[in-house]
Amino acid sequence: EAGVTQSPTHLIKTRGQQATLRCSPISGHTSVYWYQQALGLGLQFLLWYDEGEERNRGNFPPRFSGRQFPNYSSELNVNAMELEDSALYLCASSEDYTYEQYFGPGTRLTVT
Amino acid sequence: DAKTTQPPSMDCAEGRAANLPCNHSTISGNEYVYWYRQIHSQGPQYIIHGLKNNETNEMASLIITEDRKSSTLILPHATLRDTAVYYCIAPGNTNAGKSTFGDGTTLTVKP
Repeated sequence: EAGVTQSPTHLIKTRGQQATLRCSPISGHTSVYWYQQALGLGLQFLLWYDEGEERNRGNFPPRFSGRQFPNYSSELNVNAMELEDSALYLCASSEDYTYEQYFGPGTRLTVT
Repeated sequence: DAKTTQPPSMDCAEGRAANLPCNHSTISGNEYVYWYRQIHSQGPQYIIHGLKNNETNEMASLIITEDRKSSTLILPHATLRDTAVYYCIAPGNTNAGKSTFGDGTTLTVKP
């Protein structure tokens, strides 16, 4: 069974640009979660999508947004990027309303 | 979600059991305890979860105290590849999906 996949693996952007990160969940999983992990820090919850709807959001500004598609894949958009947005962005998926989350390898975003 | 407290670091000899404690004294009756680990620069890996009874799978065992205020993750025969940061979380139901991963315990398995 294929795990959670994320693309791209690495992304380099300049300040003020926009970025789109993509995630494909495990087959049969309907929930997708996004996390930010800055260097040396813990995981910060960003967004939770389930059945195409945003169910919960962490303490991040509105320029962090996303969506979930009918096939349950998801994308995270970061607008007007700032230097402190440089981090590893992790996507996880789970079956309905469980916290047994399976993580992808992440996208390393660098903002210069 | 209940606040969890873990020691910042622990060492374990290769081949010995690693016992990682977690305190969750504010946990409510229907909140599960979940354990994850993160090997350097990789995505976290789900290990195990439990509510009241002890649980075991191919990776680890989870011992939850009778009052549910604490738990211990046991890696029965630690290997060098088990060196990682281990997170204990109790996400609860009132903050659905908003799992809070703290600082975890950095386990170093030594030869």
